Amino acid sequence: KQEVTQIPAALSVPEGENLVLNCSFTDSAIYNLQWFRQDPGKGLTSLLLIQSSQREQTSGRLNASLDKSSGRSTLYIAASQPGDSATYLCAVNNYGQNFVFGPGTRLSVLP
Amino acid sequence: DGGITQSPKYLFRKEGQNVTLSCEQNLNHDAMYWYRQDPGQGLRLIYYSQIVNDFQKGDIAEGYSVSREKKESFPLTVTSAQKNPTAFYLCASSIGGLGAYEQYFGPGTRLTVT
Repeated sequence: KQEVTQIPAALSVPEGENLVLNCSFTDSAIYNLQWFRQDPGKGLTSLLLIQSSQREQTSGRLNASLDKSSGRSTLYIAASQPGDSATYLCAVNNYGQNFVFGPGTRLSVLP
Repeated sequence: DGGITQSPKYLFRKEGQNVTLSCEQNLNHDAMYWYRQDPGQGLRLIYYSQIVNDFQKGDIAEGYSVSREKKESFPLTVTSAQKNPTAFYLCASSIGGLGAYEQYFGPGTRLTVT
């Protein structure tokens, strides 16, 4: 059964710092991986979707990489801003299965 | 604007009462999903539907029921059989099902049962 973990559970950084969020999964035979942002009390906003054939995806200051063989994905945020403060969740799916979500990393960017 | 709406945002019920959460989408997506989110845990799948008039149980379907009579709508009923119904409920949709496509989420409904 696929299991997804995200470390650290919480992270606090000063504004302007580049940072990396980690997502690990136990079954490397994934079909795709999706990163989300969630603000307190709100729904999830899709950030990036990486398909199994891709190694990375970029959107603005965000870059997500995927290493299936090691069961890892990283979300890189460049030049962090206070508005980036939120919980970041990753979700993976194996072919023919629904997404399995990680517990999230709560990010605080301090001005 | 295309998107997913959930209503109400907050819902309060007494123990023993059934309650229905609304989810509507105008994205023309075939697949819809219901998740439950509890503090410190990842989202857990309750039910999903890949097409109208069809739905499947997810990982934690006990105490819940759904219907999919229209493509745009996927209401979730939390029955009195659900032992711990207080949670944040999220509805999502995607073009197709079984995780092959990007998922889009609604704003959520926070249900409190006392």
